[in-house]
Amino acid sequence: QVQLQESGPGLVKPSQTLSLTCTVSGDSIGGNTYYWSWFRQPAGKALEWIGRIYGTGRTDYNPSLESRLTISLDTSKNQFSLSLSSVTAADTAVYYCAPSTGWYNWFDPWGQGTLVTVSS
Amino acid sequence: DIQMTQSPSSLSASVGDRVTITCRASETIDNFLNWYQHKPGKAPKLLIYVASNLQTGVPSRFSGSGSETDFTLTISSLQPEDFATYYCQQGYLTPLTFGGGTKVEIK
Repeated sequence: QVQLQESGPGLVKPSQTLSLTCTVSGDSIGGNTYYWSWFRQPAGKALEWIGRIYGTGRTDYNPSLESRLTISLDTSKNQFSLSLSSVTAADTAVYYCAPSTGWYNWFDPWGQGTLVTVSS
Repeated sequence: DIQMTQSPSSLSASVGDRVTITCRASETIDNFLNWYQHKPGKAPKLLIYVASNLQTGVPSRFSGSGSETDFTLTISSLQPEDFATYYCQQGYLTPLTFGGGTKVEIK
């Protein structure tokens, strides 16, 4: 059973870059099985899909964030990462990671999430 | 982007009640529709995938139906552990999008 754990700084200053890592156990992040996605949820708001990376390194990004976003793989550590530049208070949220397989893009399981606050 | 609209946004119900949540897509998504349960401080949990398939380990009181643009999540007999927020999600086109959520509260 795949398990995921998000990690990274809980506080980021405005205009800086938010960087998070999702560590995967129970399966390899490389190869042709999974897409690995990032999500976020601001307080009191709905979930938002940020983007994903395939085991081969191909990425799909939410156009609303694409200009500031990079998602990358580190197969040696079995991790994938999120980098979001030029952050503002609107980027304050709980960030989650989760895998999907196949055509229908359901996500299971999810990491526990990590709160990132953008504040000076 | 495909917009997902859930209704109601919140509801109050009692243990044992039958609860129905609806999700409407702004364009047809065939059956590329998934449902999640989310409790505060916890990871979202997949309940239903491809509109009507019960995820392994999810109680049979949960069911999903629908196709094209209109979908329903039903809880046949609400249990104390079911009080949570429920989200639909379309998997048809990127960007993948979620409904606004339905918060199920205790009456």
